[in-house]
Amino acid sequence: DAKTTQPTSMDCAEGRAANLPCNHSTISGNEYVYWYRQIHSQGPQYIIHGLKNNETNEMASLIITEDRKSSTLILPHATLRDTAVYYCIVRVYNAGNMLTFGGGTRLMVKP
Amino acid sequence: GAGVSQTPSNKVTEKGKYVELRCDPISGHTALYWYRQSLGQGPEFLIYFQGTGAADDSGLPNDRFFAVRPEGSVSTLKIQRTERGDSAVYLCASSLDRDNEQFFGPGTRLTVL
Repeated sequence: DAKTTQPTSMDCAEGRAANLPCNHSTISGNEYVYWYRQIHSQGPQYIIHGLKNNETNEMASLIITEDRKSSTLILPHATLRDTAVYYCIVRVYNAGNMLTFGGGTRLMVKP
Repeated sequence: GAGVSQTPSNKVTEKGKYVELRCDPISGHTALYWYRQSLGQGPEFLIYFQGTGAADDSGLPNDRFFAVRPEGSVSTLKIQRTERGDSAVYLCASSLDRDNEQFFGPGTRLTVL
């Protein structure tokens, strides 16, 4: 699987949008972009995934650049409960393989 | 419905002892994964089961680590002759099948003294 690069940490004001970037410049054509988050002392939680089109669900939006070399996870109205480590992962779909976690971005939502 | 559960939540053992960690996946999920997470790092893959068989065990660090899933549901991770470096949080995840998102349990914190 391709590697990803994320900032180590970010701050966001409560109620504002949190935009978390991820670089995956060596992504292959059959690799999807997945986002998970891990709140302190809990297991990781799936957020969203996509191939090349932008995706939105009840938790977040995923914006993938046209060349697929980078993406941004958007939490539209961050709350204190969104404070967590966010992991961007690229993974081949339909392969049943593992998730390869990097260091992630530690997002701190502040009042 | 019930999520992935793991027992025990905490396990303290002495160097050289044998430990078993249990994972109860979400009912009906055919894929099951074990990961290990050291302090300040992201989870690292250990082993993946599809049904009863280990489809990929490339992440197991050495032959002291072994995992089973005899009936395609509950899985047990077994560690022999534990070492202090085995101290970590052991996470289990399951998915409906190999292509769906993985749901993680809360983990078992293993401390080897």
